[in-house]
Amino acid sequence: GENVGLHLPTLSVQEGDNSIINCAYSNSASDYFIWYKQESGKGPQFIIDIRSNMDKRQGQRVTVLLNKTVKHLSLQIAATQPGDSAVYFCAERLGGSNYKLTFGKGTLLTVNP
Amino acid sequence: DGGITQSPKYLFRKEGQNVTLSCEQNLNHDAMYWYRQDPGQGLRLIYYSQIVNDFQKGDIAEGYSVSREKKESFPLTVTSAQKNPTAFYLCASSRTGVMAFFGQGTRLTVV
Repeated sequence: GENVGLHLPTLSVQEGDNSIINCAYSNSASDYFIWYKQESGKGPQFIIDIRSNMDKRQGQRVTVLLNKTVKHLSLQIAATQPGDSAVYFCAERLGGSNYKLTFGKGTLLTVNP
Repeated sequence: DGGITQSPKYLFRKEGQNVTLSCEQNLNHDAMYWYRQDPGQGLRLIYYSQIVNDFQKGDIAEGYSVSREKKESFPLTVTSAQKNPTAFYLCASSRTGVMAFFGQGTRLTVV
């Protein structure tokens, strides 16, 4: 993978605001995408997923948007809470029977009380 | 309680030694994965396995080896050929390549 050093993209928001985290994926043949949340020292935790035949999917306080034209994925978190502070990763799976998941670099979300 | 268990949580290795990281899942998932994470970076795929007795190299397989003798187990060996093994190692499993669930990780440090 590419070495981007120690500086993750960061997003800082106020508690109660909405957050939007963006991800550019690499392969136009990817057919499945996942967002994960990772707290410090822990394993990533599944948030929401979306297949390439959809452009929007909603969960509890989260929405994922997929724009296949520009290969862009976003995660919207409504009414952001301090407990949402973490690193967020998007992952893509190449279409077909390939099981390989490729992860993006991650974005650090900090929620200020 | 279903899930993925990685052990140990912390592991120290002397230079030149091989070490094996354990990963067990009771989710009845077919696919299992090993990822490496370095500080401030994303996850890079080391190896993955879709079925028992079969596995494929990921993006950074050099210096690592795996086995998949049982569906629930996918141990990773970090060999002495891995020049920079200090990292956070994450194991995951999934049904048919979707929605992978992760363990809590093993932090390996070379001393």
